[in-house]
Amino acid sequence: EIVMTQSPATLSVSPGERATLSCRASQSVSTNLAWYQQKPGQAPRLLIYGASTWANGVPPRFSGSGSGTEFTLTISSLQSEDFAVYYCQQYDNWPPYTFGQGTKLEIK
Amino acid sequence: EVQLVESGGGLVQPGGSLRLSCAASGFTFSNYWMSWVRQAPGKGLEWVANIKQDGSEGYYVDSVKGRFTISRDNAKNSLHLQMNSLRAEDTAVYYCARWDWLLNFDYWGQGTLVTVSS
Repeated sequence: EIVMTQSPATLSVSPGERATLSCRASQSVSTNLAWYQQKPGQAPRLLIYGASTWANGVPPRFSGSGSGTEFTLTISSLQSEDFAVYYCQQYDNWPPYTFGQGTKLEIK
Repeated sequence: EVQLVESGGGLVQPGGSLRLSCAASGFTFSNYWMSWVRQAPGKGLEWVANIKQDGSEGYYVDSVKGRFTISRDNAKNSLHLQMNSLRAEDTAVYYCARWDWLLNFDYWGQGTLVTVSS
């Protein structure tokens, strides 16, 4: 089973600033990696797939990068609606699909 | 518009059973793999099971193998999860999600809460 590790667990950033979230896989997943956003009481929302491709309707301030075992989600200028929990997930080697433990992005 | 609506959650005693359902609309259900993903209270996401378009293949996370069964009815555009021998650690919100080979889990339902407690 591929283990996904996200860092940091919590990230405090001011609105308008840049946020960088990291995700590491225990073995290579190529670019078979997705990022999800989850707000309290809501279902997850797909943001990025293929490590760097935007899902429908995702604003360009979100960008994904990386391949192999190291991945990054960058939010270039934080808006109030971006404060949420973010999960990475690999789909290179399944079952099982595995998620990271999440990074909570909070307002500083 | 793609819609996934789960139902069937509730309170059940340890060792009991529950059957979750997911009603799908807004897309050709029979063209897609479908999955269940769960989230324990205050915890992260955990994939539970998925099923091929025609129902001929299903896969499970190790912790539910032999206890849970995923199934689908393409004529009724519905997905199901039969959960037997439930344990306290199965307590979670269970989400139905559409799975696409390119996009991965691209649409999710709002979830249904399963609580296993005496």
